[in-house]
Amino acid sequence: AQKITQTQPGMFVQEKEAVTLDCTYDTSDQSYGLFWYKQPSSGEMIFLIYQGSYDEQNATEGRYSLNFQKARKSANLVISASQLGDSAMYFCAMRDNQAGTALIFGKGTTLSVSS
Amino acid sequence: DTGVSQDPRHKITKRGQNVTFRCDPISEHNRLYWYRQTLGQGPEFLTYFQNEAQLEKSRLLSDRFSAERPKGSFSTLEIQRTEQGDSAMYLCASSSGTGGRSTEAFFGQGTRLTVV
Repeated sequence: AQKITQTQPGMFVQEKEAVTLDCTYDTSDQSYGLFWYKQPSSGEMIFLIYQGSYDEQNATEGRYSLNFQKARKSANLVISASQLGDSAMYFCAMRDNQAGTALIFGKGTTLSVSS
Repeated sequence: DTGVSQDPRHKITKRGQNVTFRCDPISEHNRLYWYRQTLGQGPEFLTYFQNEAQLEKSRLLSDRFSAERPKGSFSTLEIQRTEQGDSAMYLCASSSGTGGRSTEAFFGQGTRLTVV
């Protein structure tokens, strides 16, 4: 069975600093996708970044990058130059690449950015 | 089209009552998902539709839960005889595409259910 593990319940960072949120996953599939979502206090899940299991390059989307280490089964999210608006819950999720399969989420990490 | 919308945003109901939630996905998306999220946890999958067909149901979806997606457009999730354990955020998501990045799910803002 697929599983996502996020071991950091909370992280604290100062504005303009970089922060890494950890995510490890477990799957026996060869083809899968990894996602990161942000959930502010309003409740909506906001897509941040995607990494496919066969992608050779680490994914980047603006200030977000994904440190993908396939052999270690880790997919850590790096946020550069943190902003106050980055304070939120962050969820790592996985889906195998068979069409229609639902996302499996980790428990999340609460990020607090201070000035 | 401004994204996935859910109605209502909040619902307080007495134990034993029935409730129904609605989700309007992004119009061109043929895949629709329902998730449940309890406090301090990530969303958990409940059920999935492709067009009007309900293709997958989680074991979390007890007999008191039923979901429909008539005509492959909006979807409803009904909970009968609500219990206090049903209190949670119910999230709807839609997506298109057949794999990879295109499986990105767009989420609504959720319906927060409180059973008293």
